[in-house]
Amino acid sequence: GESVGLHLPTLSVQEGDNSIINCAYSNSASDYFIWYKQESGKGPQFIIDIRSNMDKRQGQRVTVLLNKTVKHLSLQIAATQPGDSAVYFCAEIPNRDDKIIFGKGTRLHILP
Amino acid sequence: DAGITQSPRHKVTETGTPVTLRCHQTENHRYMYWYRQDPGHGLRLIHYSYGVKDTDKGEVSDGYSVSRSKTEDFLLTLESATSSQTSVYFCAISEQGGQPQHFGDGTRLSIL
Repeated sequence: GESVGLHLPTLSVQEGDNSIINCAYSNSASDYFIWYKQESGKGPQFIIDIRSNMDKRQGQRVTVLLNKTVKHLSLQIAATQPGDSAVYFCAEIPNRDDKIIFGKGTRLHILP
Repeated sequence: DAGITQSPRHKVTETGTPVTLRCHQTENHRYMYWYRQDPGHGLRLIHYSYGVKDTDKGEVSDGYSVSRSKTEDFLLTLESATSSQTSVYFCAISEQGGQPQHFGDGTRLSIL
């Protein structure tokens, strides 16, 4: 598969532990946020989203936390599995904009 | 992958030649996007379309043109390819602007 980013920050986590991936977003006018997962050789895949009127949203094994005061977003993955190994991107959508602003991504590496 | 097909999946060509990449969707979504993904830069928007024959530039549009004559097809053309356009190209679709985008699996383009 392609190299998504040779200089991406990397998070190494033991299999079975929880993972926390952080993201600082740039635009205080952004009111909608998305996390994507990109596996090697594939396109980004939607994981979970959150609107700015919420500070927490839970999915299956994933939780997104939003702190608007410091413009910070995090993705928590419970009981990390080998299949979670990927690059994770946060994305923000400014209010009334057609376009998404993507972060550069974090590579999650699972240790056996 | 949300009914998105990119073709070709891989292409090697020479500097100065024209190249056209195709994105085909079966979701009847209004919006379609072309991105390039490079190490250290993440996903960067090239052009997008908000309807048949309606297109607009993204942040890295120089050297690229697009066309959308049908809802389901969005073409990206490099009129005279340069080595700096070697990249992985992703097509994405969304029902409306400001909504989550769903991605194809990419085209790896190498320009020698």
